[in-house]
Amino acid sequence: YVLTQPPSVSVAPGKTASITCGGNDIGSKSVHWYQQKPGQAPVLIISYDTDRPSGIPERFSGSNSGNTATLTISRVEAGDEAAYYCQFWDSSSDHFVVFGGGTKLTVL
Amino acid sequence: QLQLQQSGPGLVKPSETLSLTCTVSGGSISSNIYYWGWIRQPPGKGLEWIGGIYSGGNTYYSPSLKSRVTLSVDSSKNQFSLKLSSVTAADTAVYYCATPKEYSSSRNFQHWGQGTLVAVSS
Repeated sequence: YVLTQPPSVSVAPGKTASITCGGNDIGSKSVHWYQQKPGQAPVLIISYDTDRPSGIPERFSGSNSGNTATLTISRVEAGDEAAYYCQFWDSSSDHFVVFGGGTKLTVL
Repeated sequence: QLQLQQSGPGLVKPSETLSLTCTVSGGSISSNIYYWGWIRQPPGKGLEWIGGIYSGGNTYYSPSLKSRVTLSVDSSKNQFSLKLSSVTAADTAVYYCATPKEYSSSRNFQHWGQGTLVAVSS
């Protein structure tokens, strides 16, 4: 199973950034999102399509429908500049985990 | 708060076996967590799932690495481990151990080790 993300997204401070994650019928699956800053381990920011773990700002939100899951970052700040990864976990027979290729968010 | 501390060599020779250990603190590896996973990230590239072990003992590996990977858990030491045999330069990466949130069956990774950069070079 392949998850496809755009390599890069650019946004001005204060604007809204949308990062997509494409996959066949991904809307029927649960998608999770991670933020990774240089030299650091990834941080889970969206769980099960739309849930924010404790401590994650409300500016981060997610949606998932059809063949595209989307991470939306509102009122973007300079500190949001990072790589973002979507992830799917197959719980059927193969139990594999897949990450998208990652999207580098640049704050202009 | 669960914490994962990785240990292991940062340099491995080609054709040898890469071995890393992840020590769990702030909780019991045998009662709080249902899945222990390993993920790697080649320099400048994205995240790649290596494999994982469920608390019941079932182990699953990435098809591309399956023939070379062995995962294990040592509950007495609160540790889980990765062994990757016959390494080549293509295995050079930052390796992470990771687990879901404790006391949950979440299909994501809440807790991550600090990462270990392993270079394969003679």
